[in-house]
Amino acid sequence: AQKVTQAQTEISVVEKEDVTLDCVYETRDTTYYLFWYKQPPSGELVFLIRRNSFDEQNEISGRYSWNFQKSTSSFNFTITASQVVDSAVYFCALSDSSGGSYIPTFGRGTSLIVHP
Amino acid sequence: DAGVTQSPTHLIKTRGQQVTLRCSPKSGHDTVSWYQQALGQGPQFIFQYYEEEERQRGNFPDRFSGHQFPNYSSELNVNALLLGDSALYLCASSQGGTGELFFGEGSRLTVL
Repeated sequence: AQKVTQAQTEISVVEKEDVTLDCVYETRDTTYYLFWYKQPPSGELVFLIRRNSFDEQNEISGRYSWNFQKSTSSFNFTITASQVVDSAVYFCALSDSSGGSYIPTFGRGTSLIVHP
Repeated sequence: DAGVTQSPTHLIKTRGQQVTLRCSPKSGHDTVSWYQQALGQGPQFIFQYYEEEERQRGNFPDRFSGHQFPNYSSELNVNALLLGDSALYLCASSQGGTGELFFGEGSRLTVL
């Protein structure tokens, strides 16, 4: 069965600090997809990134970067020089073929609070 | 390009009542998934619709049912509401089975 663990419930930082959100996953499949979503107070989950299991190359998008390591089953997310607008709940998700189709399973989320 | 739209945004029901939530997918998307998100939790998968049929279902009782229309819009119905059904109900659309999900802002249901 697929499982996603986000051990950090809440992280509080001061603006301009770097912050890393951890994500550990479990799956028996060799083909799977990993995602990160951001949920601001409005409630809508905003897609940030999708990574497939065959692509371990790290990715950088502006202040955001992702570190995918299959050896440790982790897909961590780093925000560099955090800003107040980064305050939100961040979810890591995993989809594999269990159940017959690729349905994302979400972690419990990490609430990031960035203080001015 | 309109994103995923959901209605109503907020609603209050009493135990035992029935509720219908509606979702219009993002233009070009043919697959609709529904999730329930309790306070402080991650979204939990309810079911997914594709070509007007339920393609996959999560661990939810039969009180939760759905429908997808020819224009790809979808409804989520919950019968015999319980207090524990109070949550944010999120609709997500996608193109195909492995694409990223695009979410609406959700319908917040309160059961009294």
